[in-house]
Amino acid sequence: AQTVTQSQPEMSVQEAETVTLSCTYDTSESDYYLFWYKQPPSRQMILVIRQEAYKQQNATENRFSVNFQKAAKSFSLKISDSQLGDAAMYFCAYRSARTSGSRLTFGEGTQLTVNP
Amino acid sequence: GAGVSQSPSNKVTEKGKDVELRCDPISGHTALYWYRQSLGQGLEFLIYFQGNSAPDKSGLPSDRFSAERTGGSVSTLTIQRTQQEDSAVYLCASSPDLFNEKLFFGSGTQLSVL
Repeated sequence: AQTVTQSQPEMSVQEAETVTLSCTYDTSESDYYLFWYKQPPSRQMILVIRQEAYKQQNATENRFSVNFQKAAKSFSLKISDSQLGDAAMYFCAYRSARTSGSRLTFGEGTQLTVNP
Repeated sequence: GAGVSQSPSNKVTEKGKDVELRCDPISGHTALYWYRQSLGQGLEFLIYFQGNSAPDKSGLPSDRFSAERTGGSVSTLTIQRTQQEDSAVYLCASSPDLFNEKLFFGSGTQLSVL
């Protein structure tokens, strides 16, 4: 079974600075997808960024980018020019490309605080 | 609708009572998922539905949990004889189809079992 680990329960960053959230995963599969989801106090999970394992190029979405290290099974999220609205719980998630259905396996989450 | 709608937003119940949680997915989305989020933990998969296919119930923690999806749209998650360990946020998500990895989540139901 796949597992996802986020070793940082809490992180903080100053507004306008950069922060990196860590995620590692364990799988025996070679084809899969990785995701970062954001959960604000409203509880609604919002997709931030996704990465296909077969792509070597790291995904980017505006101020959000990932560092995908397939051999190390590492998938960190970098948030540049942090904004107050970035404060939320962030979850790393894994999905096999082989199984039907988007059964996502989530990490425990990292609570990000953005200080003005 | 514009997004995934869940009701109630909060539910407080007494141990041993049955509860029903409702999820109204985005119109046209054929895949629907239920997840459970316990305090301080990640999301735990419970069940998913895809069209008229048999649901994948492999994540349901016990036979006290059941779910149905009527007419391929609205879904109800039922917990019978609730226990204190059932207290959690129950999140519903929908997707255009089973192979689309982008899930649209609702705001969840906070269940508190006293």
